[in-house]
Amino acid sequence: QKEVEQNSGPLSVPEGAIASLNCTYSDRGSQSFFWYRQYSGKSPELIMFIYSNGDKEDGRFTAQLNKASQYVSLLIRDSQPSDSATYLCAVTGGSNYKLTFGKGTLLTVNP
Amino acid sequence: SAVISQKPSRDICQRGTSLTIQCQVDSQVTMMFWYRQQPGQSLTLIATANQGSEATYESGFVIDKFPISRPNLTFSTLTVSNMSPEDSSIYLCSVEAGQGAGEQYFGPGTRLTVT
Repeated sequence: QKEVEQNSGPLSVPEGAIASLNCTYSDRGSQSFFWYRQYSGKSPELIMFIYSNGDKEDGRFTAQLNKASQYVSLLIRDSQPSDSATYLCAVTGGSNYKLTFGKGTLLTVNP
Repeated sequence: SAVISQKPSRDICQRGTSLTIQCQVDSQVTMMFWYRQQPGQSLTLIATANQGSEATYESGFVIDKFPISRPNLTFSTLTVSNMSPEDSSIYLCSVEAGQGAGEQYFGPGTRLTVT
């Protein structure tokens, strides 16, 4: 049984700060890792994915993967109030195409 | 990524009735999925909609309660049958599309309230 764990938050950061969101997973065979952003009342939106150890940057977002520690994180630089949302970590792997989601972390960016 | 639409966007239904939700994609996709998101919760996979064959259901979900059709590579329906208030939820379809890492893109969802 795959498990994906996230701190539920809420995580509160001031505008302009770096927000750090963390996720751990139980299945060592997991291969791809995804971060989704979900605004209240909306569907999840894919913002980043990573499958190699190390960092992957896209604009203000950086995903970090450490397979040895079974840990994936998302950094949001220069946080904006519009980044306030729930961030969902999801994992898939091997021949199993199914996504397993964490419960999500609620991020609030304060002006 | 694909453009995905769902109908209806929301509905209020009486217990004991059924609702069929439609999911349309603007391009042909192999993998199509149905999820449920209960209030304040994360996403739970209901089933994988297979084109031309029966859907593959996850533990806890059965075909009699959630029949799924997938007549072609751009369309699927999910029916919520004999509804009870516990079925009140957001139902989301998703498709696997993109760069081959298994990334899924979601439709806007259907918000169902059962009274």
